[in-house]
Amino acid sequence: AQSVAQPEDQVNVAEGNPLTVKCTYSVSGNPYLFWYVQYPNRGLQFLLKYITGDNLVKGSYGFEAEFNKSQTSFHLKKPSALVSDSALYFCAVRDLSNAGNMLTFGGGTRLMVKP
Amino acid sequence: SQTIHQWPATLVQPVGSPLSLECTVEGTSNPNLYWYRQAAGRGLQLLFYSVGIGQISSEVPQNLSASRPQDRQFILSSKKLLLSDSGFYLCAWSREAAQYFGPGTRLLVL
Repeated sequence: AQSVAQPEDQVNVAEGNPLTVKCTYSVSGNPYLFWYVQYPNRGLQFLLKYITGDNLVKGSYGFEAEFNKSQTSFHLKKPSALVSDSALYFCAVRDLSNAGNMLTFGGGTRLMVKP
Repeated sequence: SQTIHQWPATLVQPVGSPLSLECTVEGTSNPNLYWYRQAAGRGLQLLFYSVGIGQISSEVPQNLSASRPQDRQFILSSKKLLLSDSGFYLCAWSREAAQYFGPGTRLLVL
């Protein structure tokens, strides 16, 4: 079985400060890991994914995430937050053995960036 | 490039009425397709997925059903809506690792 935890319901940061949104996962094998962003009344937008290779993955809108196998984490980061980054963020995991490409999503973290 | 469409964008239906939500994907062939429901702007619940025409797997037993009459068309249906069916319905497709989502349908059952 695979699972994802996003321990923070909400993260508050000031514009221009660095941001981190946390994600930990549990899978039986090697994971595929993903981050999505959702703006109000919109579908989820794909930000980035980790499949293999470099542990630091760069994605859309200046976001990046670091895969840490020993800590089973995949935290989302951005060096300088923008007010427009305020949204709901979802982490997701897929076990490589999952034939249907089924993703398990975390409960979401609301990011609030204040001017 | 691939695009995914959902309609209608919003829907208000009375309890007991039927439902049909449609999802279509362009620019790819033989995608895996998924229906999710999102309640209260938070977690996603996988309802159905399909790996091919006529192949539907249900993740949660309920009064909803899904069909895939064509390769790139996925339909979510109900014969009689319940109040608890209200929510934001998202369709997604995948062909390799990631899933890509449509704009969603907001359903309000009164």
